[in-house]
Order: sequence, then C-alpha cells, then structure tokens
Amino acid sequence: GNSVTQMEGPVTLSEEAFLTINCTYTATGYPSLFWYVQYPGEGLQLLLKATKADDKGSNKGFEATYRKETTSFHLEKGSVQVSDSAVYFCALNDYKLSFGAGTTVTVRA
Amino acid sequence: GAVVSQHPSWVICKSGTSVKIECRSLDFQATTMFWYRQFPKQSLMLMATSNEGSKATYEQGVEKDKFLINHASLTLSTLTVTSAHPEDSSFYICSARAPGGTRANEQFFGPGTRLTVL
Repeated sequence: GNSVTQMEGPVTLSEEAFLTINCTYTATGYPSLFWYVQYPGEGLQLLLKATKADDKGSNKGFEATYRKETTSFHLEKGSVQVSDSAVYFCALNDYKLSFGAGTTVTVRA
Repeated sequence: GAVVSQHPSWVICKSGTSVKIECRSLDFQATTMFWYRQFPKQSLMLMATSNEGSKATYEQGVEKDKFLINHASLTLSTLTVTSAHPEDSSFYICSARAPGGTRANEQFFGPGTRLTVL
C-alpha cells in the first residue's frame, strides 16, 4: 500500500536559517505529492504540490521537487521566519490522502 | 475559492450524549468528502470517505455505528459521534475533494472541530 515517511522532529531553528524536512514515499503508480502546514489549533492548509516527476512546487519561499528516482519530496526554505513555526505534513494522493507523521518546526527570533 | 467550513469549531459534551459536526463546501460542489481524526501531536487518521447519495466507506477499525456519516447534499456532510465517551475526545477534520479541472483530486480542508467529552 501507499505510505509516507517523514523526518521526525521537533526541529528548532533560528530566524533566517535554512530549513529542510525530508519526505520519502512508497506508492503504486504515480501519485500527486503535497506539503500541508498546520498552525496551532487550526486545520490543514495546502503549502505546495507536485503532480508528476520532476515537478517543483513552490509557495511562500518553500520549495519541493518530485523525485521519482529517489521517491522523495523534500521540503526546503532558504531563510525561515518566526511565522513559519508550525507542523508540516508530507502527503501523497492516490484517490485517498496518505499523510506522514508530521514535523513540528519552531523558529526562534 | 474552494473554501470548506466546519461547525462547530469546538464542542464540549457530557459522556453518553451525541454530537453532530457539519462540514460544508462553500463555493463548490463536492461529491466526495473525507473525515479525519487527529490526536494531539499526531498525524491525521482517515476515518471514512463520504460519498453524496450513498453510504460512507469506513476505514478498518472505525466503528460505523459509533461515527455516523451522512452526505445528503453536494455541499454538506455530517459526522455524528453517538454515545460519546472521553476517549472520543479529539480534533476532527473534514476535507472535500475538488470537482475537477486543474485542481482535480485535490482536497480542501476544513478548520477542524475540537471535541471534548467530559
């Protein structure tokens, strides 16, 4: 079956540091890949997505590239801000969404 | 566009009572909606897939008589937690599948409902 393995946290960074969260997946076929962000007490917001191999999703300074050869979709941001503190979920969509465990990111001023 | 709302945003109830949570797609029609449960500091667990006009499909281990799902229209799905107990306390999140086009198969999430059973 489909599954997503996500780098465990928590991750604590200083402002302007580089952030990377690893995500690998197992799937039959060619699913779409997503990164969602969840702020405290809220639902999920789509951060970015990629629908096919070599696609790069980007939003708000975050990027992730769909790597079929390594079955990965790592999330990166070059310079984080305090407002980026949240829980980040990697997910794949093959009709149903399969989520990773989530990574809590805390950015300190 | 593609906004999903949930009501209520939080609810506190006594053990043994039933609680209904509504999920609405505000600006699109959703033939398929999903219900998730999230425990503190954990990922989302898919509970069931709700299809308009038909019975919901429950994931393994989810009690269908405990968590009643009704998808009576293309914009509304409801989750009723029957005879709630403290172990049912959780954060319940719904999502609605986009109807098609460039956002086909994308799910849009509601803000979640915090249920606390005393």
